[in-house]
Amino acid sequence: EAQVTQNPRYLITVTGKKLTVTCSQNMNHEYMSWYRQDPGLGLRQIYYSMNVEVTDKGDVPEGYKVSRKEKRNFPLILESPSPNQTSLYFCASRTGQHTDTQYFGPGTRLTVL
Amino acid sequence: AQSVTQLDSQVPVFEEAPVELRCNYSSSVSVYLFWYVQYPNQGLQLLLKYLSGSTLVESINGFEAEFNKSQTSFHLRKPSVHISDTAEYFCAVSDRRNQGGKLIFGQGTELSVKP
Repeated sequence: EAQVTQNPRYLITVTGKKLTVTCSQNMNHEYMSWYRQDPGLGLRQIYYSMNVEVTDKGDVPEGYKVSRKEKRNFPLILESPSPNQTSLYFCASRTGQHTDTQYFGPGTRLTVL
Repeated sequence: AQSVTQLDSQVPVFEEAPVELRCNYSSSVSVYLFWYVQYPNQGLQLLLKYLSGSTLVESINGFEAEFNKSQTSFHLRKPSVHISDTAEYFCAVSDRRNQGGKLIFGQGTELSVKP
């Protein structure tokens, strides 16, 4: 089954404790992206990757890091989480074609205390 | 830069009634237009998209949206809704020229269908 998977689905942590949210897709997609969803703000892009070893900032990259060492994986790293990073996070992927559908993962709900 | 405004944050409607979810966008360049749906506790799924050609696009479950260039709108409609249509709906645009293909989302509209 074609899918985007994220782990963990739910995470409660404390300020300053480094964490990684994993994202994996099995569709051989070149493009991957991370979004955060906050009430009243919709989804905002954090980082994206056009292909292996190619990443770039989205609209809200502060406090986040990413890496793309393999085509299928695109982890999101929070080196020192803060309460304002409490949010619902989605990973997405698509082919290299700009007009193709983006497929979203099920989401990771992160709470930073 | 692009921006998307969804004019209603919540739309309550009775089953079998028609519904329209409004979306306006602002952009200095040509854009592609999308509607995504998010069912409770799930990720987003593409509902329909406008790339070119006919300005009226349809989804497989009875929704349709019309691209209106002069009004910079892409409203989503369904003539008769079902309980199962209860979800949050997001309008999004992306710059046709930019191969980065970033989606700019609106704030979302919660559609609540009541029996």
